[in-house]
Amino acid sequence: SQTIHQWPATLVQPVGSPLSLECTVEGTSNPNLYWYRQAAGRGLQLLFYSVGIGQISSEVPQNLSASRPQDRQFILSSKKLLLSDSGFYLCAWSVGGGAKNIQYFGAGTRLSVL
Amino acid sequence: GNSVTQMEGPVTLSEEAFLTINCTYTATGYPSLFWYVQYPGEGLQLLLKATKADDKGSNKGFEATYRKETTSFHLEKGSVQVSDSAVYFCALGYNQGGKLIFGQGTELSVKP
Repeated sequence: SQTIHQWPATLVQPVGSPLSLECTVEGTSNPNLYWYRQAAGRGLQLLFYSVGIGQISSEVPQNLSASRPQDRQFILSSKKLLLSDSGFYLCAWSVGGGAKNIQYFGAGTRLSVL
Repeated sequence: GNSVTQMEGPVTLSEEAFLTINCTYTATGYPSLFWYVQYPGEGLQLLLKATKADDKGSNKGFEATYRKETTSFHLEKGSVQVSDSAVYFCALGYNQGGKLIFGQGTELSVKP
């Protein structure tokens, strides 16, 4: 069966520090991968998605970047965190590019930038 | 463009009450519609889906019908339980990398 792992679960970082969040998927090949941010009391904002190794699409301009060094690994990074980067970050995967595809979510990383 | 609008929360109900969470959408083409649920401190889980007009998705006593004429996908449950307390997201799927557009979420709190 397929599983998705995100870590760490919780992170507290000072303003201006770097960030690296990792997401890996097991049990499937060539998945689509997604990073979302959920600000407190708000919906999900798609940050990045990837349909293959090295292919990253950015949905909104921001202080973050994403990379996909391996087929089932998706990394969210920042060189210098801002206070506004605080939130709940969710990784998700799906297979195929159609409208019917279900996305499966990880447990999330709660990031607090102080 | 494509968008999803949900009723604002929080919604507070007593156990065994009837639940409706409204969701309307704007889309071009033939989207699929989903309801996801997020329990406290967790990621999202698929609750149900419908892939074409007049389809009814159902799971765990929840139902939603894809209404193209009213561009709606309202979530209903006849008798809620305390364990249903969570945030519910309506989402629209369209043919571009399997992406989803989410509504803002509706928090449901069920009291015993």
